[in-house]
Amino acid sequence: QVQLQESGPGLVEPSETLSLTCTVSGGSVKSNNDYWSWIRKPPGKGLEWMGYIYYSGNTNYNPSFESRVTMSLDTSKNQFSLEMSSVTAADTAVYYCATYTSRNLVFESWGQGMLVTVFS
Amino acid sequence: QSALTQPPSASGSPGQSVTISCTGTNSDVGDYNYVSWYQHHPGKAPKLIIYEVTKRPSGVPDRFSGSKSGNTASLTVSGLQAEDEADYYCSSFRNFGTGTQVTVL
Repeated sequence: QVQLQESGPGLVEPSETLSLTCTVSGGSVKSNNDYWSWIRKPPGKGLEWMGYIYYSGNTNYNPSFESRVTMSLDTSKNQFSLEMSSVTAADTAVYYCATYTSRNLVFESWGQGMLVTVFS
Repeated sequence: QSALTQPPSASGSPGQSVTISCTGTNSDVGDYNYVSWYQHHPGKAPKLIIYEVTKRPSGVPDRFSGSKSGNTASLTVSGLQAEDEADYYCSSFRNFGTGTQVTVL
């Protein structure tokens, strides 16, 4: 299994852009078996799939986030990233990166998660 | 896409069994065998414990079992142990359930 680690600012001001990076080890973002995903968990709420990016660069976003989210790959660094614009307090959450496997359509490997607080 | 519906909480004493339901629609749970379950201890990464309705990944105890009937899938934890106290989420394709907090009394 691959290992994933999220990184980025833990505090973002309202109306600004949230930016997170997920570093992949033990595997490659060029794998055609995995969809590189972002999932979040707001306090007191459940898990929400935000979207994924495939090794080809193709993306699939949850309609709830589509207008604000951009995902990208950096194959030279074996990383993938999330940007979400115009954040509000409702975007305060623990953000996880994860692999969604094409073999059995599950989120197989997860990062430890990163708390991002939207705070002015 | 609406979240799959789970009861907010479930509980049992050590050694007992607890069953959690997950209700979807004909478009997800009902028509496909792509239902998975995740165990989430607060502060840790969620862990896949059941996939394709009934299958367990390597290393997951056989105390965890899954089933499905119509549009409702279920996770049963038998022989409850203290470490089973966690939040549990079902998922079908990329849609998650609302989550169930399991308490070991």
